[in-house]
Amino acid sequence: GENVEQHPSTLSVQEGDSAVIKCTYSDSASNYFPWYKQELGKRPQLIIDIRSNVGEKKDQRIAVTLNKTAKHFSLHITETQPEDSAVYFCAASSDSGNTPLVFGKGTRLSVIA
Amino acid sequence: KAGVTQTPRYLIKTRGQQVTLSCSPISGHRSVSWYQQTPGQGLQFLFEYFSETQRNKGNFPGRFSGRQFSNSRSEMNVSTLELGDSALYLCASSAGQGKQYFGPGTRLTVT
Repeated sequence: GENVEQHPSTLSVQEGDSAVIKCTYSDSASNYFPWYKQELGKRPQLIIDIRSNVGEKKDQRIAVTLNKTAKHFSLHITETQPEDSAVYFCAASSDSGNTPLVFGKGTRLSVIA
Repeated sequence: KAGVTQTPRYLIKTRGQQVTLSCSPISGHRSVSWYQQTPGQGLQFLFEYFSETQRNKGNFPGRFSGRQFSNSRSEMNVSTLELGDSALYLCASSAGQGKQYFGPGTRLTVT
């Protein structure tokens, strides 16, 4: 089955700097890669996703890149703000519905003002 | 549309008891997945139901079971509770194409 590794487990950045979180996956059949943000005491929220027919996707200060050959994908947050502090999870699955969404163990991002 | 809802939000049970958690998906969503979240372990997949049928199952013991009703609402049951079952249980609904939307979770404490 699919296995997703996520690094780093914790990340501290100064406000205004960029943050990068990296994930690798094992199943070459995976073609859907979402990222979730979970603030303390809240539910995970889908912030951006990418499918394997696209190499990069941006949404304001957030971007995700995908390297299918190397089986890794990354989340990039630019101009970080204190409200970006949260735990971020990457995940991978096939959008056929035949495989479940498998999550990485999360990255705790702290943005220091 | 209303989001995913879960009841109850908090639950305290004793070892050996059983518990049933409920999840109401977003209207029109036919897939409901359940996850267990514990500190340091991320979100571990329990099972997924689609149109009242279990479509995928994670690596959890048979004490964990679920079902889905014709209105897509889902329940999960844990029998013979153990201390290690203390966790946040999240459900997520999907209309397909992979996107999942999470409920607020049920915090289960086993004493």
